[in-house]
Amino acid sequence: DTEVTQTPKHLVMGMTNKKSLKCEQHMGHRAMYWYKQKAKKPPELMFVYSYEKLSINESVPSRFSPECPNSSLLNLHLHALQPEDSALYLCASSQDLFGRDGAMNTEAFFGQGTRLTVV
Amino acid sequence: AQSVAQPEDQVNVAEGNPLTVKCTYSVSGNPYLFWYVQYPNRGLQFLLKYITGDNLVKGSYGFEAEFNKSQTSFHLKKPSALVSDSALYFCAVRDGSSASKIIFGSGTRLSIRP
Repeated sequence: DTEVTQTPKHLVMGMTNKKSLKCEQHMGHRAMYWYKQKAKKPPELMFVYSYEKLSINESVPSRFSPECPNSSLLNLHLHALQPEDSALYLCASSQDLFGRDGAMNTEAFFGQGTRLTVV
Repeated sequence: AQSVAQPEDQVNVAEGNPLTVKCTYSVSGNPYLFWYVQYPNRGLQFLLKYITGDNLVKGSYGFEAEFNKSQTSFHLKKPSALVSDSALYFCAVRDGSSASKIIFGSGTRLSIRP
């Protein structure tokens, strides 16, 4: 199994709603990532988890709240979003932040993304 | 700080011709370089990576990339383009001195005409 599965595929939410994006992988990867991608732009890193602990927060607003309940799951909780938060949210995982030999040789595998629209 | 640049927003190639998508990078440590492809409304698919060793790296779908340390480049190439290669291509880098971040270039839209 070399897949990263994201649900839902599409989400429309109001600015007062609370919703969650979910990501799952069963490759035994210990690093998981959230990226945000606007149309025709590159993915922008939001959060990195390593061994279920938050390793990087790229100064993301608190209305985005990540959670890593176990080594296979990564959630992104959304609350009080703004229309400008509408984007494709991509989850990714990699074997580790460091490869077995200590080198950072591990590529990231991406899910298909959740297309989020905030109205 | 690490960065990666893709100087071309769009590359147009006739089917059957060779293609090149350019990428240059800047890192403080050893570079770990990746190419990804993205089809419309889809996630990113990994194509190939350079970690160490041979400068010419072969990847999925007949793509290859050439690492050039002196020019700090990692251009993506394919000897004979297919219409199905039309997509958005991203070069990415992981800085050897900063483990966690994979940073993407701005992307190049590859269009293959029949």
